[in-house]
Amino acid sequence: QQQVKQSPQSLIVQKGGISIINCAYENTAFDYFPWYQQFPGKGPALLIAIRPDVSEKKEGRFTISFNKSAKQFSLHIMDSQPGDSATYFCAASMTPGSNYKLTFGKGTLLTVNP
Amino acid sequence: DGGITQSPKYLFRKEGQNVTLSCEQNLNHDAMYWYRQDPGQGLRLIYYSQIVNDFQKGDIAEGYSVSREKKESFPLTVTSAQKNPTAFYLCASSIWTEAFFGQGTRLTVV
Repeated sequence: QQQVKQSPQSLIVQKGGISIINCAYENTAFDYFPWYQQFPGKGPALLIAIRPDVSEKKEGRFTISFNKSAKQFSLHIMDSQPGDSATYFCAASMTPGSNYKLTFGKGTLLTVNP
Repeated sequence: DGGITQSPKYLFRKEGQNVTLSCEQNLNHDAMYWYRQDPGQGLRLIYYSQIVNDFQKGDIAEGYSVSREKKESFPLTVTSAQKNPTAFYLCASSIWTEAFFGQGTRLTVV
């Protein structure tokens, strides 16, 4: 049972464009939603995260939008750069009670063309 | 520097052999995790541990074993019972909600 569904599987964007990656979750007990960025051959690193008490969080060019009623959240990358080319994973967890165990989406391979 | 160290970076295993992947952290985190990453499959949880001498199965624990004798160390053994072990293995530790990942070990069965 896939508890976090991520789309699209791959995305190609031109430099300066907006990249949008979407995730949907099923378990309403999830209350922490991070996005991780992974470069080839490396481990994922936390990019940005949000909790359900806010609808949007922005850090630089990266924004998370959260829709609690629809059980969806998305990552927007403004002014996308070739250095943003990586695989992005959304995730969700329940806090506390499950030791912050993360459930990941299947990932989106982002390619930003120069 | 604080962080998570996985070794080796590349590992080759013959059919029928057990292999152990090392994971060490100096972040003083209580919780540690092992994930398996396959193309198009995301990260799937193998085992996790909240405290020393205690660990729980994740979603795909069959064919794997772990130990947690020290807070800093959480080795993963891929046994011969794991039918398709070729994958990228990631170790992580966490405090509260943020997970920190190692650089991974790529295991190939030859």
